[in-house]
Amino acid sequence: ILNVEQSPQSLHVQEGDSTNFTCSFPSSNFYALHWYRWETAKSPEALFVMTLNGDEKKKGRISATLNTKEGYSYLYIKGSQPEDSATYLCAFHAGGTSYGKLTFGQGTILTVHP
Amino acid sequence: ETGVTQTPRHLVMGMTNKKSLKCEQHLGHNAMYWYKQSAKKPLELMFVYNFKEQTENNSVPSRFSPECPNSSHLFLHLHTLQPEDSALYLCASSQQQGRTNEKLFFGSGTQLSVL
Repeated sequence: ILNVEQSPQSLHVQEGDSTNFTCSFPSSNFYALHWYRWETAKSPEALFVMTLNGDEKKKGRISATLNTKEGYSYLYIKGSQPEDSATYLCAFHAGGTSYGKLTFGQGTILTVHP
Repeated sequence: ETGVTQTPRHLVMGMTNKKSLKCEQHLGHNAMYWYKQSAKKPLELMFVYNFKEQTENNSVPSRFSPECPNSSHLFLHLHTLQPEDSALYLCASSQQQGRTNEKLFFGSGTQLSVL
């Protein structure tokens, strides 16, 4: 059984704050690490798919880093806005498994207060 | 709008009922998936279909029966469910071209309540 842990479980920040959260995953048999944003009553939406150790990806104010040797990824949000409020999910894709066979963490619920 | 449409959005059914969930993708993808999210649990893969063929069944009970008549449509047939099957059922699709950075496109889900 693969273990994917996200911390913290929830986070409240003020508008304009920068924040970050963590995803821990198995350090062996790595294939890819996904980040999704899931707003209430909407569909989960892909932010990043990361495949290489040391990879850094950026999309607007959101960025992510990846360390496959130690099994963690960080997601950073710079200057949080109320519209960033959502659940952020990471998902681990192990080598040798079907595409789309992802093991998800429980998510970090971010609330940005105006 | 992600291009993946699920119906119905909400479903209440009794334990003796038979119902079906429907998923349709308009993205030209070749792979489709059913995921389940029970209360306070992570998203969990149920089934994977590649080019209409089932390639993964994640030890799902037989009271859940998937059907994929073509690459654009996916169904989940439900019969004699238990109250613990109440959950959010999400459909997803992906290109399936063998690229490592392939991402999933999700529908909005069907919130199922079994009474």
